Amino acid sequence: QLQLQESGSRLVKPFQTLSLTCSVSGASIDTGSYCWSWIRQQPGKGPEWIGYIYHTGLTYFNPSLQSRAAISIDTSNNQFSLGLTSVTAADTAIYYCARTQVMGIHRLFDSWGQGTLVTVSS
Amino acid sequence: SYVLSQPPSVSVAPGETARMTCGGNNIGRRSVHWYQRKPGQAPLVVIYYDSDRPSGIPERFSGSNSGDTATLTISRVEAGDEADYYCQVWDSSSDNVVFGGGTKLTVL
Repeated sequence: QLQLQESGSRLVKPFQTLSLTCSVSGASIDTGSYCWSWIRQQPGKGPEWIGYIYHTGLTYFNPSLQSRAAISIDTSNNQFSLGLTSVTAADTAIYYCARTQVMGIHRLFDSWGQGTLVTVSS
Repeated sequence: SYVLSQPPSVSVAPGETARMTCGGNNIGRRSVHWYQRKPGQAPLVVIYYDSDRPSGIPERFSGSNSGDTATLTISRVEAGDEADYYCQVWDSSSDNVVFGGGTKLTVL
C-alpha cells in the first residue's frame, strides 16, 4: 500500500528557507508512470499546487511560486524534497506531498500524505 | 487565470442527498476531480474524470459535469461523510493546477 509522509522544519523564520522531505513507501518513485507533487493549503483557503518532479529530475511549478520553489528527488532513498526561499507569514500552511498522474491536459493527485503544518514566524 | 467557485458550506440530515457544486467558465469542457479532506487525514480522491469512482469509494458518491457547473453528489449521507470537499482541474492556458475553495459538508 502506497504511503507518503512529510517531514521537516515546522517553524521557519521570515526570509529563511522552508525545507521539507516526502518519504514514499509501498512503491518506487523511480518510475515514469507518475510524478511527485507538493501542494499546500493556507488557513481558510483551498489547496494550492506548488510543483512536481519526475524521476528524471524534470520539474514544473506553479507560475506564482516558480521563482522561490525548488523540488529535488532522491531515488536511492525513495524521497523527494521541497525548498521554498524567502518565506513570509503568507507561506504558513499545511504542506502535502502527493503522487501525481500526468496525462495530457489532466493532472490527478491520486495519493496524498497527511500533511505537515509549517509556521513562518520570528 | 481560471477560477473555480464552491459554496462554503452544505448541510444535510443523515440519509438525505448532498449536492456540492463547482462553478467555472465552461467547466464542462474540462475534467474535474473531487477530493475529500478530513482533519488529520490524508486527502482522498472520491471522484475523478468528472464521474469515475476509485475502488473503495462507496457507490453513494457520484459526479457530473456540464456547462459551467460540476457537481459532486453523495446519496444516503452518513455521519462519516462529514468533511471538506474540493474540486480541481488543470488549466492549460496558464499551465497551472486550479483548486476550488472547498465546501464543508455538515451532517446534521
